[in-house]
Amino acid sequence: EPEVTQTPSHQVTQMGQEVILRCVPISNHLYFYWYRQILGQKVEFLVSFYNNEISEKSEIFDDQFSVERPDGSNFTLKIRSTKLEDSAMYFCASISGGTKGYTFGSGTRLTVV
Amino acid sequence: KNQVEQSPQSLIILEGKNCTLQCNYTVSPFSNLRWYKQDTGRGPVSLTIMTFSENTKSNGRYTATLDADTKQSSLHITASQLSDSASYICVVSQNTGFQKLVFGTGTRLLVSP
Repeated sequence: EPEVTQTPSHQVTQMGQEVILRCVPISNHLYFYWYRQILGQKVEFLVSFYNNEISEKSEIFDDQFSVERPDGSNFTLKIRSTKLEDSAMYFCASISGGTKGYTFGSGTRLTVV
Repeated sequence: KNQVEQSPQSLIILEGKNCTLQCNYTVSPFSNLRWYKQDTGRGPVSLTIMTFSENTKSNGRYTATLDADTKQSSLHITASQLSDSASYICVVSQNTGFQKLVFGTGTRLLVSP
């Protein structure tokens, strides 16, 4: 069964450093998403991406965040200057379209120290 | 405000017993309602998806119900197994054109031998 692949599985970074989280969505999917889950809290929407541009973003997704699909297969989330409160699990997801078929990756655990 | 609330917050049952988890939502515009299973440190895995017109959907020992009038859903687990221990998350998809998901806080289920 096709999977959404995320790397790395765990990233530790110092406050103020830039991090790039990587995702390889399912190949024929058209819509891509990033969600995050702070430990003990619910999963929160960050951003959706379609046709090489951001289609919707939450208030969490401020100027420190950016997304890119640099080569037609990878989908990246960049945090320019990490803060302690950015520590969370970050999930990538993709769908082919329509109302179904939402597939999540296994997540990247980001720890900012 | 778009919200998804779940109860109970946590639940312990004996192996082999049944249980029912509850979900109430105020998400609009509504597209579909999903139940996900999330193991600790892993991405959510879809169990069921129901659109507005569907009242019941089964997936093995999991049966979900949806009452779109009262905006309530339930997930019934039959003959529980130790491997059912996980968080069960009710998720409502907003029909904003890009299928943004609104997550509940989840019910943490522990099945004990």
